Amino acid sequence: GQQLNQSPQSMFIQEGEDVSMNCTSSSIFNTWLWYKQDPGEGPVLLIALYKAGELTSNGRLTAQFGITRKDSFLNISASIPSDVGIYFCAGLDRQGAQKLVFGQGTRLTINP
Amino acid sequence: DVKVTQSSRYLVKRTGEKVFLECVQDMDHENMFWYRQDPGLGLRLIYFSYDVKMKEKGDIPEGYSVSREKKERFSLILESASTNQTSMYLCASSFGLVKTTDTQYFGPGTRLTVL
Repeated sequence: GQQLNQSPQSMFIQEGEDVSMNCTSSSIFNTWLWYKQDPGEGPVLLIALYKAGELTSNGRLTAQFGITRKDSFLNISASIPSDVGIYFCAGLDRQGAQKLVFGQGTRLTINP
Repeated sequence: DVKVTQSSRYLVKRTGEKVFLECVQDMDHENMFWYRQDPGLGLRLIYFSYDVKMKEKGDIPEGYSVSREKKERFSLILESASTNQTSMYLCASSFGLVKTTDTQYFGPGTRLTVL
């Protein structure tokens, strides 16, 4: 099936640093979503983007829906220990199936 | 708040057993989904459902079946569990096609081990 290319696969940073991760696709999506998953838990929605070019913030998190509709990025500013986890991007194609396509995830580790 | 619950957080079964994973959502969502999550592979869609008694195959349906007898409940069935079905199973739900807020909300997951 379809898959998004999410990078980087893992990040090791110092507390207080900014983080940036992105997703690209060969297909167009109408919605981009960013989720965070804590160990042993299900993914939790962080930010949803519905329009090309849209820039949305949620606290220290900022995400953008690329103009081409084939990419999205997520930035985390001034990272803190509770930001540790796996971040997933997901694209939704509203044509037909309403299925989400997920990236492989970015595992974020923070050194205090 | 949307709530998606899964019947078990951890489950250990033997090869060949029939396994039922249950998922319930309380937001009157039309769509429900079952994924499995494996290291390095992300989330892969097994089956989904648009409505009661409706089901559609996802990307990896082999070895699984589903049941949706009531709108709020979506069951994943492993007819004869095998060791390669050891994984984290995640259920999700979302509004139907007519809604613009079509994000998916996930349950906490069931970690299944097949011995």
